[in-house]
Amino acid sequence: AAGVIQSPRHLIKEKRETATLKCYPIPRHDTVYWYQQGPGQDPQFLISFYEKMQSDKGSIPDRFSAQQFSDYHSELNMSSLELGDSALYFCASSREGTGDPYFGPGTRLTVL
Amino acid sequence: RKEVEQDPGPFNVPEGATVAFNCTYSNSASQSFFWYRQDCRKEPKLLMSVYSSGNEDGRFTAQLNRASQYISLLIRDSKLSDSATYLCVVNLETRNQFYFGTGTSLTVIP
Repeated sequence: AAGVIQSPRHLIKEKRETATLKCYPIPRHDTVYWYQQGPGQDPQFLISFYEKMQSDKGSIPDRFSAQQFSDYHSELNMSSLELGDSALYFCASSREGTGDPYFGPGTRLTVL
Repeated sequence: RKEVEQDPGPFNVPEGATVAFNCTYSNSASQSFFWYRQDCRKEPKLLMSVYSSGNEDGRFTAQLNRASQYISLLIRDSKLSDSATYLCVVNLETRNQFYFGTGTSLTVIP
């Protein structure tokens, strides 16, 4: 069965650079969630989208922005990267009404 | 206070043992409940949704107690491959996000 796809899987950036993470949800899933997981920590919610509209917002820095496109894929844009942004970034998708969220393999971002 | 609280463990149990994890949630408006397992540096994988009537999947049984606001996961006949971190996840009716517990670490010992 198709799963959530994230790209790139690994990303190395320098401080103050920008990064774009992409997420392709499971087919027919209309909701996308972004999470950040630092070493030894539980996933922290960043932002979610339903039907291409932002539906909830968590602890997402102002330097980050995200959107969901007409094909339901989502992109997380990160600017002015800081060392503390180094983490695993997970995208999850679900289908409204069904609710079970499935996670992608994550993008490991390292900021040097 | 975190929305979801879990005992981080670690739980070290011998093969074949039965182990139980509990998780409490603070918001009575919580609507959906899940258990995920996460292996080191991998994504959380959905283990099971937790229904009001409780549900069982092979060696795994999940229970929900709305009155006391906790969910539980019981693993019978533990296998070495069960070693992982188990995350309790809760969704609020009014929010479109999922709240994670800190996870409970399980190591099954030969």
